[in-house]
Amino acid sequence: GENVEQHPSTLSVQEGDSAVIKCTYSDSASNYFPWYKQELGKRPQLIIDIRSNVGEKKDQRIAVTLNKTAKHFSLHITETQPEDSAVYFCAVDSGYALNFGKGTSLLVTP
Amino acid sequence: SAVISQKPSRDICQRGTSLTIQCQVDSQVTMMFWYRQQPGQSLTLIATANQGSEATYESGFVIDKFPISRPNLTFSTLTVSNMSPEDSSIYLCSVERPIGSEQFFGPGTRLTVL
Repeated sequence: GENVEQHPSTLSVQEGDSAVIKCTYSDSASNYFPWYKQELGKRPQLIIDIRSNVGEKKDQRIAVTLNKTAKHFSLHITETQPEDSAVYFCAVDSGYALNFGKGTSLLVTP
Repeated sequence: SAVISQKPSRDICQRGTSLTIQCQVDSQVTMMFWYRQQPGQSLTLIATANQGSEATYESGFVIDKFPISRPNLTFSTLTVSNMSPEDSSIYLCSVERPIGSEQFFGPGTRLTVL
């Protein structure tokens, strides 16, 4: 099955700094790459996604970049705020469901 | 989008018993998915539930342990059978809307097995 590697597992930044989380995948046929944010005790929520025909997508302070040749994609959060503190999961479609990375615990300190 | 509810939201169960988790969606969907999230871990797909056919289980998960029902296009149940403390997890159902796009998750069922 699809192998999704996510790094780093933990990330601590100061408020206002940028945060970058990277994921790699193994199946070159994958074409949908979402990012989920999960706050403590809550369900995962989609924050941004990208398809294989697009190299970059941006939504306010959040952006995702995709390199299909290298089979990796990244989440970029700029001007981080304390409310960005959460666990972030990348995922890759397996053709019928999602395979998730192990998650990155992001802490934004004031 | 999709509105998904799950029952129960949490439960504490004794070893050897079984628990059935219900998932209700606000509109018809072809596939429903069941995930497990062990404490501090990522989400792992248990099985895909299609209406009118047997569920498709992922490697490491078997029907005898996690029987699934899908009686119609808006409802599914997952049973965790003969529970042990290792089954303590959050169980989440999800749906795709539209197909091949965003997956929406239910609020999860937090299960603790003593």
